[in-house]
Amino acid sequence: SQQGEEDPQALSIQEGENATMNCSYKTSINNLQWYRQNSGRGLVHLILIRSNEREKHSGRLRVTLDTSKKSSSLLITASRAADTASYFCATDANNAGNMLTFGGGTRLMVKP
Amino acid sequence: GAGVSQSPSNKVTEKGKDVELRCDPISGHTALYWYRQSLGQGLEFLIYFQGNSAPDKSGLPSDRFSAERTGGSVSTLTIQRTQQEDSAVYLCASKRGGSQETQYFGPGTRLLVL
Repeated sequence: SQQGEEDPQALSIQEGENATMNCSYKTSINNLQWYRQNSGRGLVHLILIRSNEREKHSGRLRVTLDTSKKSSSLLITASRAADTASYFCATDANNAGNMLTFGGGTRLMVKP
Repeated sequence: GAGVSQSPSNKVTEKGKDVELRCDPISGHTALYWYRQSLGQGLEFLIYFQGNSAPDKSGLPSDRFSAERTGGSVSTLTIQRTQQEDSAVYLCASKRGGSQETQYFGPGTRLLVL
């Protein structure tokens, strides 16, 4: 079963615009991770944000975490056509094995 | 360094046959996970190995699924008597010990059961 939901399910923007994706989850977490997936294959890790962190940056990526609302957002600034992919949030609910529970993903299309 | 590798990349099999999927984790990573991604169920956890401890099999959907990890490194996921609903992409991930470590995923094996 999935931990939560992502919205939007699909997002289409022009190159150069910013893209914002949101993720909600249900249980307390140890950390939250964002992944990118191209063409339905392997997941590429983008950012890990710990439960005691509120914001994290990596290049053109900015992730926020609000544990009181059980939500996170991923912002991609100055998007490029190469950013076209599916983006997933995954929560580590501090279980013994740190296994991840994934949201349904957001399909992002960046038009050149 | 080398990432997580999986083989085969694609597997087509007939209903009722057994299949084996292989995962080579990143060297030195003590934790190894199998996940499955299917159209109906999204990405879901299957099984977890940590060092020499007994695996956490809580995500396996049926007793037709099993996995082993030999020598604390390579893992094999076996599906017996495959069914059409087993068609999915099977993803393997590994990470170092520690609760705040990142899981690194392999490219996956796309399984199609005819």
